[in-house]
Formats: sequence, structure tokens, C-alpha cells
Amino acid sequence: AQTVTQSQPEMSVQEAETVTLSCTYDTSENNYYLFWYKQPPSRQMILVIRQEAYKQQNATENRFSVNFQKAAKSFSLKISDSQLGDTAMYFCAFMKSRGSNYKLTFGKGTLLTVNP
Amino acid sequence: SAVISQKPSRDICQRGTSLTIQCQVDSQVTMMFWYRQQPGQSLTLIATANQGSEATYESGFVIDKFPISRPNLTFSTLTVSNMSPEDSSIYLCSVWTSAYNEQFFGPGTRLTVL
Repeated sequence: AQTVTQSQPEMSVQEAETVTLSCTYDTSENNYYLFWYKQPPSRQMILVIRQEAYKQQNATENRFSVNFQKAAKSFSLKISDSQLGDTAMYFCAFMKSRGSNYKLTFGKGTLLTVNP
Repeated sequence: SAVISQKPSRDICQRGTSLTIQCQVDSQVTMMFWYRQQPGQSLTLIATANQGSEATYESGFVIDKFPISRPNLTFSTLTVSNMSPEDSSIYLCSVWTSAYNEQFFGPGTRLTVL
């Protein structure tokens, strides 16, 4: 079974600074997807960024980028130029790409607070 | 993207009663899921809602407690039966879309059981 570990229950950052959220996972699969989801307070869960394991290049979406280390099974999220709207719970998630079940396994989450 | 709506958005229920949560998607999707998110916690998958057949439940969840229906490719319901205070959670519907290679989530139903 897959497990996802987020070792930072809470983090804070000053507006405009950079912060990195960590995520490690355990799997015997070779092909899979990794995701970072954002859940703002009392709002809907949305996808921040996605990484396919077969791709060596790290995914980037505007101010959000990942550091994907497949051998180390590490998948950290870097948020640059942090904004107040980035305040949210961030979940790292894993999904097997083999088969058609498309089930996500989530980490426990990291609560990020961006301070003005 | 897929737009998902859930009804009700929140409810307060008495112990021993049942509540049915509806999930509607604005497009046909193959995979629909139901998750539970207890206060301040992560998401736990309850089951995969299969169109035209019985749902596939994860370990720790059973059909008698969480019956699920999926009559077509855009709609599903989750019933929380014989509720107890331990069932107080947010219940989220989600869908996987091959078109976007992405899983989308509904806004959730916040359930409080007294």
C-alpha cells in the first residue's frame, strides 16, 4: 500500500517570501502521479500542481514549483513570492497510474499561513 | 474543468437518523469518488461509485453504513446511515476526468451529528 508523509503540520511565511513544503511517499510502483492540492479555509479543494513520475523535469505552475526526487521518493512544493491568498491547507497526494482506479492517497496536510 | 455541486452544503442531524448527500457533475465522468474529511484531518476515501453496479468500498467502510448510488455518469448519492456523533465530518464528492487528467472536488457537505 502507498503512504504519503507530510512532516510539517504547520508553517508560516512572510508575504513575498519563499516557502517549501515537504512530502515523502512510499511505493513499489514505478509509474505514478504526484499532486499538491490546496484547501483554503472553508473553501473548495483545488489542484495546485501535478507531476508524472516518468518525467524527469520538475513541474512548474507560475509561482508554484516542485522538487521531485524519484529515488529519494520526495516531492516538495516551493511557493515563491508568497501571497496572502496562499494561506491554506496543502495536501500532497499519490496516485498509481497503472490500472484504472484513479484513487488518491493523501498526506495529513500542512497548514500554511502567509503573514502580511 | 468539471464543475461539481453537492447538496446539502451542511446539515445538523440527530443521532440514529440518516442523511443522503447528492453530487452532481456538469459533464459525464467515468470515475466518481466519495471522501470523508474529519475536522482538521486529511481526506479518507470511502468508496468508488460505479455506474450501474455496486460501489467499491475501502477498508473500514461498509455498504450498510454508507450506501451509494450512481444511476448515471453525472450523478451520485451517498447516504450516511444510523448516524452517531463520530460521523460528524465533511463529505466530499470527487471525479476523475480523463480529458484533464485531473481529479476535481466538490465543495463538500459539512455534517454535524448531535
